[in-house]
Formats: sequence, structure tokens, C-alpha cells
Amino acid sequence: GAVVSQHPSWVICKSGTSVKIECRSLDFQATTMFWYRQFPKQSLMLMATSNEGSKATYEQGVEKDKFLINHASLTLSTLTVTSAHPEDSSFYICSALPGTGWHEQFFGPGTRLTVL
Amino acid sequence: AQSVSQHNHHVILSEAASLELGCNYSYGGTVNLFWYVQYPGQHLQLLLKYFSGDPLVKGIKGFEAEFIKSKFSFNLRKPSVQWSDTAEYFCAVGSYGQNFVFGPGTRLSVLP
Repeated sequence: GAVVSQHPSWVICKSGTSVKIECRSLDFQATTMFWYRQFPKQSLMLMATSNEGSKATYEQGVEKDKFLINHASLTLSTLTVTSAHPEDSSFYICSALPGTGWHEQFFGPGTRLTVL
Repeated sequence: AQSVSQHNHHVILSEAASLELGCNYSYGGTVNLFWYVQYPGQHLQLLLKYFSGDPLVKGIKGFEAEFIKSKFSFNLRKPSVQWSDTAEYFCAVGSYGQNFVFGPGTRLSVLP
């Protein structure tokens, strides 16, 4: 149990276009989902915390207008990278928290974004 | 705010050598501790976790970790590494009401 999927697993886009990444909890309801970014050979950096039905909370330095997060249901959160540029190329990973009182996050497989 | 440090950026070992990767965190409250592994080109996998109870935790693939509260440490160990253990290892700390924080990672290279 506790499986999290991401789609797509990799995407290549042109500079200036927008890209949407989906994160789904397949066998549980996730009240909270997290979006991380991982640059090559570096650790995961939390970008934002997404709660179902409310606005996401962004970490300092993360542009909320550039990285749009929508947590429309208890099993789906989306991250849209708007007007992507080459510096946005990275590995984006989501995780999900089954509910209040849970201490363990379950991670998705990640999405590799390459902006040309 | 919590922070997590890992002692080594890159560790190189020969097969059959023993491994210990250091992890220290800064947070005075109750914490949950995790070690994740990321094999080249793959996603994060949970190796082991500590929530409470026995401070010596056994995980998958022969790994174990010991929580020493007085030292704010959660070091990862394996008595005999294999070439297939070559990967990036991340220590992470979470606590209720606080965000999950990852350490910077330690790259382990095991020479055949």
C-alpha cells in the first residue's frame, strides 16, 4: 500500500511553455502533499506544501506565480511550471501524507523536466 | 527550524568493507528519523525509519541505524557493503507540525 505516482516521468519542453506534473496517491487519501526539487547530485529541497482545498504554502525563495500548485482532490495534486526556462530543468518529486497523525511521507518516482 | 547534516559528501569503499554514514539533526522535540537511498537514475527508496522504541533500527538490504538522542544522531551502518550499494544516501528528519527536512546526502561508491 501507500503508493504515489507521478506523471509524466520525464518531459522535454521549449523555453517559454508551461508544463503540468501530476502527483497521485493511488491507494490512500492524502490530505497533504509536498513538492520537492532536486538538482543533479544535490539533496531534495522542499518547494511547497499543498493541502487539499486550500492554497499551497511555498518555501522562501520559491516563486508562487511560476510554480502553480493545485490540490483539487484528496488523491491528486498538480504542479505547473509556467513559462519554463532552462534553469527550471530539474527533477521534481512529490510526496504524500495519508492524514493527520501520520509521520511518514510516501514519495513518488519523480519527474525529470528538461527545458530547451 | 530543523536542520540535518551528513558527515561525508562522498565515501569510497571496497566490497566487504564496513560502512557507517553519519547523520546529525538539530531539533529538540520529538522527531521521526529516516534513511533513504537513491540508486543512480532511480527514485527515493526508504531504507529504514525510527519513530519510537528500540533505538537500533533494522532496515532492508542489511542496513541498520542507531538513534542516539543525546547526540542528536542517527547513523547508518552496514557490516559488509556490496557493489550494488553504490548510491546516494539521504538522512531525513520529520516531526509533527514541522516540515520534512533532508540532509545534503552522501554518495557511496563501492569498488568491486
